[in-house]
Amino acid sequence: QKEVEQNSGPLSVPEGAIASLNCTYSDRGSQSFFWYRQYSGKSPELIMSIYSNGDKEDGRFTAQLNKASQYVSLLIRDSQPSDSATYLCAVSSGNTGKLIFGQGTTLQVKP
Amino acid sequence: AAGVIQSPRHLIKEKRETATLKCYPIPRHDTVYWYQQGPGQDPQFLISFYEKMQSDKGSIPDRFSAQQFSDYHSELNMSSLELGDSALYFCASSSTGLANYGYTFGSGTRLTVV
Repeated sequence: QKEVEQNSGPLSVPEGAIASLNCTYSDRGSQSFFWYRQYSGKSPELIMSIYSNGDKEDGRFTAQLNKASQYVSLLIRDSQPSDSATYLCAVSSGNTGKLIFGQGTTLQVKP
Repeated sequence: AAGVIQSPRHLIKEKRETATLKCYPIPRHDTVYWYQQGPGQDPQFLISFYEKMQSDKGSIPDRFSAQQFSDYHSELNMSSLELGDSALYFCASSSTGLANYGYTFGSGTRLTVV
């Protein structure tokens, strides 16, 4: 079992819809949780971070964390074709800053 | 704002050759992380350095070595290259106490072993 798991997709949504991306992790000691967006051949780009239970909103993005269920999600409202990319869930535990990534979910937003 | 700089952007090597990848962190950042991302794979943590000392180690092959220099730049040395080493290699940096707040990756080096 991978330490961080995501559905690889692809997840296809129409333009303007809400895209919901999910991630589970196995290490209960994990403290920091991140969502990165990665376009093909490019480096991962940090779009959201969350550290405590509940929701965190930033523009069209909302991250949700439930430590009891070891679950992190990312909602993208009003999805745009430019949001089409692979979304990587990453978890940090310990204090060295090492990130464990999920395998990523490919999102396709259709015009 | 200055970002993490990696060089070269692209590198083609033959099997059994040696490659050196360089990473220049954001100014005043003292920690560097290296990740490897194979085709269709998620990034895998290789190694990190804090204040020129190795701070954590992941799935880095024994054929690879890395170090952080006095100016905080880091180099990843890869010897006896194999076809399976073909991947994107990303570097990231952070400053003391902020490692768990996420970090920005450089543009990466695409290594192709033929």
